[in-house]
Amino acid sequence: AQTVTQSQPEMSVQEAETVTLSCTYDTSESDYYLFWYKQPPSRQMILVIRQEAYKQQNATENRFSVNFQKAAKSFSLKISDSQLGDAAMYFCAYRSATSGTYKYIFGTGTRLKVLA
Amino acid sequence: GAVVSQHPSWVICKSGTSVKIECRSLDFQATTMFWYRQFPKQSLMLMATSNEGSKATYEQGVEKDKFLINHASLTLSTLTVTSAHPEDSSFYICSARTGGVFEAFFGQGTRLTVV
Repeated sequence: AQTVTQSQPEMSVQEAETVTLSCTYDTSESDYYLFWYKQPPSRQMILVIRQEAYKQQNATENRFSVNFQKAAKSFSLKISDSQLGDAAMYFCAYRSATSGTYKYIFGTGTRLKVLA
Repeated sequence: GAVVSQHPSWVICKSGTSVKIECRSLDFQATTMFWYRQFPKQSLMLMATSNEGSKATYEQGVEKDKFLINHASLTLSTLTVTSAHPEDSSFYICSARTGGVFEAFFGQGTRLTVV
C-alpha cells in the first residue's frame, strides 16, 4: 500500500522569505501523480501544484515550486517570497495513475505560519 | 470552472437522528466522487469512493450501514449519516473528478456536530 509522510507538523517563515516543506512517499508503482494542497482556515482544499511522475522537470507555479526526486521518493514544496496569505495547512497527496484507481492518499499535513 | 459545492456547510443534529450532506459538481459531470472525513488538526481520511450509478466502495473500517452514499447522477452525490452519535461529529469533505482530468476538485466541506 502507498503511504505519504510529512515529517514537519509545523513550520514558520518570515514574510518575504523562502520555506521548504518536506514530503516523502512510498510506492511500488512507476506511474503516479503527486500534489500539494493548501487548506486555509476556511477548510477549502486548494490545489497548489501537481507533478506527474513520468515528467523529470520539476513543476512550478509562480512562487511555488517542487523538488521531485523520484528515486528518493521525495516531493518537497518550496514557497518563495512568502506572503501572509500563504499561512495554512499544507497537505502532500499521492494518486496512482493506474486506470480505475483515483483515490488520493494524503499526508498528515504541515501547518505553515508566516511571520510579519 | 471545476466547482464542487457542498450543502450544508454546517449542521447540528440530535443524537439518534440522520443527516444528509449533498455534494454537487456545478460545471462538470463527475464520474467519480469521494467522501473524506477530517478530525481537528488531522489529515483527510478517505471514507468511500462512488461512481455514478454504482454502489460505493468503502474503505476498511468505515461502516456501510452508518454512512450511506448515493451517487444517483453525474452531478450529485449524497452522504447520509444514519443514527448519528456525538463521535460522528467531524468535518466531511467531498471531491469529484471527471474523465480525462487527473486531478480531483474539492467541496468546501461540511461541519457536522451531533449533540
